[in-house]
Amino acid sequence: QVQLVESGGGVVQPGRSLRLSCAASGFNFSNYAMHWVRQAPGKGLEWVTLISFHGSHEYYADSVKGRFTISRDDSKNTLYLQMNSLRTEDTALYYCAKDFAIFGVAPPDSWGQGTLVTVSS
Amino acid sequence: QSALTQPASVSGSPGQSITISCTGTSSDVGGYNLVSWYRQHPGKAPKVIIYEVNKRPSGISNRFSGSKSGNTASLTISGLQAEDEADYYCCSYAGIITPVLFGGGTKLTVL
Repeated sequence: QVQLVESGGGVVQPGRSLRLSCAASGFNFSNYAMHWVRQAPGKGLEWVTLISFHGSHEYYADSVKGRFTISRDDSKNTLYLQMNSLRTEDTALYYCAKDFAIFGVAPPDSWGQGTLVTVSS
Repeated sequence: QSALTQPASVSGSPGQSITISCTGTSSDVGGYNLVSWYRQHPGKAPKVIIYEVNKRPSGISNRFSGSKSGNTASLTISGLQAEDEADYYCCSYAGIITPVLFGGGTKLTVL
């Protein structure tokens, strides 16, 4: 059974940094691309970033490009999101999600419960 | 790339069927059979109910079905039940620049 547990959220001032983690279990982590998807309060889902299986490629939404960095540690079955130069509009619940396709890229099929990031002065 | 287009809201009575559309372009919905649908109840994480346009994960009721025509994908829910009241999102693979796009979401109200 796939399990994804996010951590690292909190309240942070604009311009500061925060690092999110996602501990994965129940599947062969290294064989799957992984996503971060966020949801601002009362809003819809917004895809943020994706890292391919084995970490060879990274993709970012324009809204976070140059500020956020996704990474993974397959030895620890853990996904990370380093968020720098945070803005108030980055305030959201951040979900870690497993890609549907083994060795490929596709929409997610499993989601964590999310970790809340609040950017406020 | 822009988000996929969904109606903001739909409604139906118990037992009825409803359809939610998801319109994209030939670069996303129309170009690949990689469209998924998610249901999200308030305060909960999204849950996949359809993947690869029309496939249901194990445990998902056959009341849920998906289809695609051109650049528009559709989710149909038959035999509406009170528990179906939720937000529904479509998602499509969209190529190597921005691999994934979500729709804006549709709030389903069961009258």
